[in-house]
Amino acid sequence: DGGITQSPKYLFRKEGQNVTLSCEQNLNHDAMYWYRQDPGQGLRLIYYSQIVNDFQKGDIAEGYSVSREKKESFPLTVTSAQKNPTAFYLCASSPASVETQYFGPGTRLLVL
Amino acid sequence: DQQVKQNSPSLSVQEGRISILNCDYTNSMFDYFLWYKKYPAEGPTFLISISSIKDKNEDGRFTVFLNKSAKHLSLHIVPSQPGDSAVYFCAAKRGYSTLTFGKGTMLLVSP
Repeated sequence: DGGITQSPKYLFRKEGQNVTLSCEQNLNHDAMYWYRQDPGQGLRLIYYSQIVNDFQKGDIAEGYSVSREKKESFPLTVTSAQKNPTAFYLCASSPASVETQYFGPGTRLLVL
Repeated sequence: DQQVKQNSPSLSVQEGRISILNCDYTNSMFDYFLWYKKYPAEGPTFLISISSIKDKNEDGRFTVFLNKSAKHLSLHIVPSQPGDSAVYFCAAKRGYSTLTFGKGTMLLVSP
């Protein structure tokens, strides 16, 4: 059945290390998004992509990078430049020109 | 500058009663509004939405009301159930822009 998968569920990062969070969808959605959630905060947009091989920065893109080589996949790399990476990361997707976004189960990133 | 505000961090309601979650926005150009429900350590689940051309949308126990002049929307849950206990996020967008989320309201429904 269709959906959005994120892996791993928990991820640990060492100081100075880059880590990549996976997001895959089989809903045939054109648009994909990455959000970050911190305690007591709403969802803040990191990056989004409306079409393959194209993506735009969101509100808090510094210290992150993405790629969109396939329609189904939108991986997020948390680089060593991101000084406060501990958070819950959520991936979402939506059909083109449709307002509703559908979310994956999330990845919790912790710093060792 | 927060464009979507949920001023109540938490709300407690008894089972069977009505839950009313509120959301205010500042951008008069927003034309579509959504409510999401989120359990801990899970992704948000879409609940209900409303276009700015309407003032009410209903889906089962969930009703969203939009007051454009007051830039205010609310989600009513009737009757409330313990399984409704979760964090509720209000979100808004303008045209083909991305969603702007509020900080969420934690709803606790007690038996």
